[in-house]
Amino acid sequence: DTGVSQDPRHKITKRGQNVTFRCDPISEHNRLYWYRQTLGQGPEFLTYFQNEAQLEKSRLLSDRFSAERPKGSFSTLEIQRTEQGDSAMYLCASSLVSGRDSPLHFGNGTRLTVT
Amino acid sequence: DQQVKQNSPSLSVQEGRISILNCDYTNSMFDYFLWYKKYPAEGPTFLISISSIKDKNEDGRFTVFLNKSAKHLSLHIVPSQPGDSAVYFCAASFSGAGSYQLTFGKGTKLSVIP
Repeated sequence: DTGVSQDPRHKITKRGQNVTFRCDPISEHNRLYWYRQTLGQGPEFLTYFQNEAQLEKSRLLSDRFSAERPKGSFSTLEIQRTEQGDSAMYLCASSLVSGRDSPLHFGNGTRLTVT
Repeated sequence: DQQVKQNSPSLSVQEGRISILNCDYTNSMFDYFLWYKKYPAEGPTFLISISSIKDKNEDGRFTVFLNKSAKHLSLHIVPSQPGDSAVYFCAASFSGAGSYQLTFGKGTKLSVIP
């Protein structure tokens, strides 16, 4: 399977704890995106990388959130001091830099529940 | 403010009939539009796209129509099949963003009844 892989699929944590999610994009894709989806909403853009460079961050990405993509391969999204409002599905997607001819391919997401 | 709107949360259609899913947008800068399909416990899957220089794009049973003056697009599925039952998201982007980040609607849940 050469699709986008996300780990873990589910994460339950207590408020105040830190969590980290991992995303492995499609191997030849140089763009990687993080989105968040809450119940009844569509996915919302958080941030994206081109290779190892983080080029854009949404205002939704508070300073408790940090994303990295070392060596331009897999990416991690860390949430520090989690809050109940962070409960959501976190989706990773990847694409080629050509953009228009390469739509985003999404992983199956990590569902975070903060208790 | 919701820049991409899908005003119908759900739609039920008989198998074999046409499904029409609608989407409106408010940002005139959007120049590329996509439809994604999402099954439960899976990520969204790309279905079909259309550039603002076109008014129609067809791929098998799926056709997307774009009306730029009305800022409206629609997805037609003909004939509808039970396997098409899923949540459909309309998404938009503009080339000036560079990131090709997508702005999504809230989705429409399609149920195709056998």
